[in-house]
Amino acid sequence: EVQLVESGGGLVQPGGSLRLSCAASGFTFSYYWMHWVRQAPGRGLEWVANIKQDGSEIYYVDSVKGRFTISRDNAKNSLYLQMNGLRAEDTAVYYCATSLLAATSHWGQGTLVTVSS
Amino acid sequence: QSVLTQPPSASGTPGQRVTISCSGSRSNIGSNTVNWYQQLPGTAPKLLIYSHDQRPSGVPDRFSGSKSGTSASLAISGLRSEDEADYYCVTWDDSLNAVVFGGGTKLTVL
Repeated sequence: EVQLVESGGGLVQPGGSLRLSCAASGFTFSYYWMHWVRQAPGRGLEWVANIKQDGSEIYYVDSVKGRFTISRDNAKNSLYLQMNGLRAEDTAVYYCATSLLAATSHWGQGTLVTVSS
Repeated sequence: QSVLTQPPSASGTPGQRVTISCSGSRSNIGSNTVNWYQQLPGTAPKLLIYSHDQRPSGVPDRFSGSKSGTSASLAISGLRSEDEADYYCVTWDDSLNAVVFGGGTKLTVL
């Protein structure tokens, strides 16, 4: 069974940092593009970043460039999102997902990040 | 404001057919494949349609997708109460070098 389990969310002050993790199981992690997608409370889905199978291509939404870093460890079947310089507008549930634009896509249940003083 | 434009809401009665549109441009829908996701209340999104009009296994044939030029559409026929959810289109944008989602459409079954 495919499983994606996010962790690392929580309450952080503006300007602070958090590192999200996504543990994958039940499929060959190294075969897939991986994405982070977020959803602010009561709002729609917003794509945050993605990373190619071998990490050789990475893309970000403009609003997080220079603050967030996506990475992966295929040996550990894990995806990460290092978030620095957090702002109130980064408050959201963060999902990791496989291959958003392919014939199959799996999502985790999400982890909540709250940026507030 | 989303790069892909969807109506914020849609509604229908049980058994009816509803259509949700997704309008983009040459750099996104005009050049790339479109997927659709369904998000039931309180849950993670689920892939509903891929490559404009293909259904993953397990998705009922009541759901269908299409694309024409720089727009895509999701149609739901034989509407059921369990179809009440948020629906999102998504594609790649060649100009932005980014994945772009539509703003989402909240479907209400009356």
